[in-house]
Amino acid sequence: GAGVSQSPSNKVTEKGKDVELRCDPISGHTALYWYRQSLGQGLEFLIYFQGNSAPDKSGLPSDRFSAERTGGSVSTLTIQRTQQEDSAVYLCASSGTGLNEKLFFGSGTQLSVL
Amino acid sequence: EDKVVQSPLSLVVHEGDTVTLNCSYEVTNFRSLLWYKQEKKAPTFLFMLTSSGIEKKSGRLSSILDKKELFSILNITATQTGDSAIYLCAVRQGGNQFYFGTGTSLTVIP
Repeated sequence: GAGVSQSPSNKVTEKGKDVELRCDPISGHTALYWYRQSLGQGLEFLIYFQGNSAPDKSGLPSDRFSAERTGGSVSTLTIQRTQQEDSAVYLCASSGTGLNEKLFFGSGTQLSVL
Repeated sequence: EDKVVQSPLSLVVHEGDTVTLNCSYEVTNFRSLLWYKQEKKAPTFLFMLTSSGIEKKSGRLSSILDKKELFSILNITATQTGDSAIYLCAVRQGGNQFYFGTGTSLTVIP
C-alpha cells in the first residue's frame, strides 16, 4: 500500500483479555517500529524489527507484550492479560533507506482497557 | 543514557505570532534529527536534518541543526490556527534506533 496501515483503529477490551494489533508497513521498507503513546505523553519505544535480524525488544514493558513480523512485512503486536494501564495509542512506523530513511507512521490503534 | 529534550512543553500564541521550538539531544552515534507534527494520532514528517548550519524551509516552517551544541530549532512564522499540534523531535542513531522527545504542544488562538 501507499502508506503504513494499522488495524483496528480502535479496540475496546476488558481487563484480562488478550489483544492483537496489526501493522502493514510500506512495501519495501525493511525496518518496522512499534511505539506506545499514553494520553499527553511522548512516544515510548516498544520494539524494532530490521530485515531478518533479531528484533530489538528492549522497550517492551513486560512479558505480557510480544510482537512478531512475518515474512519481513506484516507485524502483529500482542498484549496478553491486558491491564488498564495498557490503554494508549499504539503507533507503528516503517522506514527505508536514503530519502525514505525517516519514519512513516500509521494512524495508530487506540486501545481502551475497561 | 541517550535522550532528547524538547522545550517548552507547551506554548499558547496568537495568530500571526512567530514561535521557536527547541530540541536538544544527547545521543551516541548521531545520524539525523527529525521533526514531526502530530495533530491527531499519526505524526507527519516535517524535516530531516543531518548537517549543521543548513536551514531547511517549507513555507512558514524552517529548521536548523547545530551538531556542535547538540540542538535544533523549529521556527514557525505568521502562525495560523492550523498550526496547533504537538511537535515532536526525534534523533536517529547509527544503529537505526530513534529517540523521541516528549513534544511541544502548540496552541494558536485566533
